[in-house]
Amino acid sequence: DAGVTQTPRHEVAEKGQTIILKCEPVSGHNDLFWYRQTKIQGLELLSYFRSKSLMEDGGAFKDRFKAEMLNSSFSTLKIQPTEPKDSAVYLCASRPGVSYAEQFFGPGTRLTVL
Amino acid sequence: GDSVTQKQGQVTLSEDDFLFINCTYSTTTYPTLFWYVQYPGQGPQLLLKVTTANNKGISRGFEATYDKGTTSFHLQKASVQESDSAVYFCALTGGYKVVFGSGTRLLVSP
Repeated sequence: DAGVTQTPRHEVAEKGQTIILKCEPVSGHNDLFWYRQTKIQGLELLSYFRSKSLMEDGGAFKDRFKAEMLNSSFSTLKIQPTEPKDSAVYLCASRPGVSYAEQFFGPGTRLTVL
Repeated sequence: GDSVTQKQGQVTLSEDDFLFINCTYSTTTYPTLFWYVQYPGQGPQLLLKVTTANNKGISRGFEATYDKGTTSFHLQKASVQESDSAVYFCALTGGYKVVFGSGTRLLVSP
C-alpha cells in the first residue's frame, strides 16, 4: 500500500500570497489530520476530518487556514494570506477509522514565507 | 483535557549506551500511548504502541512500558546505535484526538 503523499515537498511564498498544500491519505483510512510542526511549538493540530466531515478546525488557526477534504482520497490546506510566521513544516496524517489506531504521516511540506 | 509532558529536549549518548526517555501524562480516559520516531526530512512513524491492556511494547530493540500509578510511560533501549539518532515523540489518545509530547532529540556518536 502507498503511504501518505504530500505535495509539494517544499514551497516558498511571498508574504500575502495564497498557497495550497495537498495530501493523499492511505487508501481506506477514514481519519485525516493536518499538523504544523515548528521547533518551538512542536506538533500543533490544524484540522481533523472523519469520513470527510470536519471534526476539529484547530481554533487559533481558523482565520487564515482552511482545510478541505474534497473526497476520501484527497485533502487540501489553504493558507491565505501567508505571513512569515507561517514558515514551518506542514504534516498530513491519516488513520483507519478506529480512534486507538496509529497515525500514518506523510513526509511533510516545508513552507518558507519571505 | 489530555496532556503529555516530555521534559528531555535532547539526549546525547555514545554507541552501546543505555537509552531512557520518560513522559508523563494526564487524562480522564483509558488511554492508548504511543512512541513515534522522526528522522530528518520524514514525518513521524510509529515505533511502539502501549495500551492499558498490555502495559508494554517491544519493537526494533526498543521497549515501552507505562505505569498507571505514576501516569508515566517511558522508552528504553539497552544499546543504542548511531542509526537511532532521531527525534522521539510520546503521544496519547483517549479518543479521536492525539496529544503529542514536545519531542526528545537523540544524538548518538560512534
